[in-house]
Amino acid sequence: QVQLLESGPGLVEPSETLSLTCTVPADSISLYYWSWIRQPPGKGLEWIGNTFYTGNINYNPSLKSRVTILVDTSRNHFSLRLSSVTAADTAIYYCASQRRTEGMEYWGQGTLVTVSS
Amino acid sequence: DIQMTQSPSSLSASVGDRVTITCRASQTISTYLVWYQQKSGRAPKLLIYAASNLQSGVPSRFSGSGSGSEFTLTISSLQPEDFATYYCQHSYSAPYAFGQGTKLEIK
Repeated sequence: QVQLLESGPGLVEPSETLSLTCTVPADSISLYYWSWIRQPPGKGLEWIGNTFYTGNINYNPSLKSRVTILVDTSRNHFSLRLSSVTAADTAIYYCASQRRTEGMEYWGQGTLVTVSS
Repeated sequence: DIQMTQSPSSLSASVGDRVTITCRASQTISTYLVWYQQKSGRAPKLLIYAASNLQSGVPSRFSGSGSGSEFTLTISSLQPEDFATYYCQHSYSAPYAFGQGTKLEIK
């Protein structure tokens, strides 16, 4: 079992930058791609992007201009930054492990981020 | 980008029923298709990967089939704990889009 622990503020002001971190077990960071997914309240899932421990990154084109995903192997974590947020970015943000064939097996607990002043 | 379309969007069924959910990709994705179950307030749970492979620990009443661009998730005999929302997702190439979800409700 691989446990993912998300951390970060639950409230972000409009036009500011949303920042979240997902900590993973040290012995697993090189085994998976690491993804961010979000889910607006009452709506479906949206894949934001992922990264590999080598630094390879993929982004959803719909968010690419505002998103940065980084991996820090020395700290066993990967991070999400979403700039210029609006109320439409209010969602539960999840981190998850990802493999091309096996899908997203392990998930974080989810963090509700509300964009409001 | 590859789009995923699920049908139906919602479904009412009774305990013991057999139900099928369909997922279509906008282009061929071989068998790079994953199914998740999500219960209210919880993170999604992986059920099926590579279109037809049952994730460890998932009951055998769940099955998946398909290849190319059309896929199905079947629950052979609904149990009370199966009432949830189900999502498909392709893993063919980034961006890895999800279907819009199918909400399975008790009749």
